[in-house]
Amino acid sequence: EIVLTQSPGTLSLSPGERATLSCRASQSVSSSYLAWYQQKPGQAPRLLIYGASSRATGIPDRFSGSGSATDFTLTISRLDPEDFAVYYCHQYGNSLYTFGQGTKLEIK
Amino acid sequence: EVQLVESGGGLVKPGGSLRLSCAASGFTFSSYSMNWVRQAPGKGLEWVSSININGAYIYYADSVKGRFTISRDNAKNSLYLQMNSLGAEDTAVYYCTRERAPNYNSGLNYWGQGTLVTVSS
Repeated sequence: EIVLTQSPGTLSLSPGERATLSCRASQSVSSSYLAWYQQKPGQAPRLLIYGASSRATGIPDRFSGSGSATDFTLTISRLDPEDFAVYYCHQYGNSLYTFGQGTKLEIK
Repeated sequence: EVQLVESGGGLVKPGGSLRLSCAASGFTFSSYSMNWVRQAPGKGLEWVSSININGAYIYYADSVKGRFTISRDNAKNSLYLQMNSLGAEDTAVYYCTRERAPNYNSGLNYWGQGTLVTVSS
């Protein structure tokens, strides 16, 4: 099983600032099959990024993903008030999918 | 419009069984691998199980292996999760999810609204 460790656990920032979220894998993620999701309270998760760096349909370009092998990053260039939520990374390169434990992005 | 609608959740006693269903519409169900993902109250996401387009390839998280069975009926556009020997640790919202692209692992871009399973005496 590939263990994904996200950091930080909580990130406190203000609207307009830049957010950098990290996801580290316990072993190399095959073909950069790494996704990022956003989840707001009471809602299902929403796919933001797949293939480590490709934005899903309808996702604003302030969201970007990067990285490969074991180190991946989600960057939100300028935080909008609607971006404050919990973010999860997810690897699907191995038949046994796994999720990170999540990073809560809160308003400072 | 793609829709995934789960049903079958509810309150069940420890050791009991429950069968979840997911009705899919708005896409060619038989072309997509499907997954179940769960979320315990106040906790993170946990992948539970996946099934490929024809049911030939099925995978389970270690936490449910031997107790849960995933299946699909392409004629009925439906996904199922049979859950046996339930314990308190299985209490969660269960989401039915679809892969982004046909016939291969590609990220989960459609999620149902979830169905709550509560295991308690």
